Amino acid sequence: QSVLTQPPSVSGAPGQRVTISCTGSSSNIGAGYDVNWYQQLPGTAPKLLIFGDNNRPSGVPDRFSGSKSGTSASLAITGLQAEDEADYYCQSYDSSLSGYVFGTGTKVTVL
Amino acid sequence: EVQLVESGGGLVQPGRSLRLSCAASGFTFDDYAMHWVRQAPGKGLEWVSGISWNSGSIAYADSVKGRFTISRDNAKNSLYLEMNSLRAEDTALYYCAKDRRFSLGNNDAFDVWGQGTMVTVSS
Repeated sequence: QSVLTQPPSVSGAPGQRVTISCTGSSSNIGAGYDVNWYQQLPGTAPKLLIFGDNNRPSGVPDRFSGSKSGTSASLAITGLQAEDEADYYCQSYDSSLSGYVFGTGTKVTVL
Repeated sequence: EVQLVESGGGLVQPGRSLRLSCAASGFTFDDYAMHWVRQAPGKGLEWVSGISWNSGSIAYADSVKGRFTISRDNAKNSLYLEMNSLRAEDTALYYCAKDRRFSLGNNDAFDVWGQGTMVTVSS
């Protein structure tokens, strides 16, 4: 059972803005550890989307942005496109577990 | 091109062993920490183990501690995962992933992933 909780699904029409929450605790996000986000398109390996809370690797569109506050973090997708339909996972470090943890995952559907 | 290619997966009986390999290319392998992450069929991602650039720091998830051993051979640009006492719940697609940093810390992100190798534990 993951220590980072995400909504199972979110959806939006093309062009809309959607957000995905990632709720943790004082031993992970609340401790100030970086939150990273990954996109997993159907049948493919995960891809790093956001690192260090709000930084995009080269090649990731600026439609994707990250934020963090307290024990939670969020991924926002603006100008939603059909190609954004995928599973999204947050990830951080947990000091109680002495290891890296992933969120439960959120499926984004473009209506 | 930066690439990670996993191999060694397959069907294995409960209690038996299996060794996974990951061949890296396109980057300076011994400059980065490496990890194994798994994904059970239809489930989410689970971090399994990580190793620093020089093997000086190693970490495991509680679910595999004492059964799995991670190692690397920088001369061969390769990462390994020795899996012993396998259980049905170890059935998953195992990904090799590159860390953005050289050491294991508390702000690590995984910026390159392989395509995975499937491990099925069943009698």
